[in-house]
Amino acid sequence: ETGVTQSPTHLIKTRGQQVTLRCSSQSGHNTVSWYQQALGQGPQFIFQYYREEENGRGNFPPRFSGLQFPNYSSELNVNALELDDSALYLCASSLKGQAYGYTFGSGTRLTVV
Amino acid sequence: AQSVTQLDSQVPVFEEAPVELRCNYSSSVSVYLFWYVQYPNQGLQLLLKYLSGSTLVKGINGFEAEFNKSQTSFHLRKPSVHISDTAEYFCAVSALSGGSYIPTFGRGTSLIVHP
Repeated sequence: ETGVTQSPTHLIKTRGQQVTLRCSSQSGHNTVSWYQQALGQGPQFIFQYYREEENGRGNFPPRFSGLQFPNYSSELNVNALELDDSALYLCASSLKGQAYGYTFGSGTRLTVV
Repeated sequence: AQSVTQLDSQVPVFEEAPVELRCNYSSSVSVYLFWYVQYPNQGLQLLLKYLSGSTLVKGINGFEAEFNKSQTSFHLRKPSVHISDTAEYFCAVSALSGGSYIPTFGRGTSLIVHP
């Protein structure tokens, strides 16, 4: 059983640029959620994807967008990067309708300069 | 909507001493409760979960937690900590919304175990 893998592990971008982060789900999972974890904070829910459609969204602006592919992998895209976007971005996969069993990846550390 | 409050941002403790990390939650509906651990530069690992049944839940690495509905608490305990328990611990609550369960996390408690 493969876990959740995220790429890249680290990334440095300049303010105003765009970034794409990638996530491969755990085998057998059909739902992907993205979280932003700022330094010293808990993870904040960005959005969730199920069947290639957004299935819930947290309090994040539209410049945060995502995709889910038929193999359940996912991308997080952030446009017009701001310094406050610097954070650890976590991807978690799960089965829709299941209250437990979220499996998290190790995250992508994004630094915006 | 639900929320989680972790009352201590940092808990220092000596090795082999007992520890309790506190968590309170608020929700208008029935919830499921979780504790996750995060080691440096890693993702979140599930320690234990409360879904239903016995209010005392045992997890991995010797941790346990007790669900108290009247006090809306879910405190994490370990009778004797080890240096390797040094990590960030997150309490999370999850409720059904739009057909999905989406965990809401607290701000975390940094457990620092001293030799």
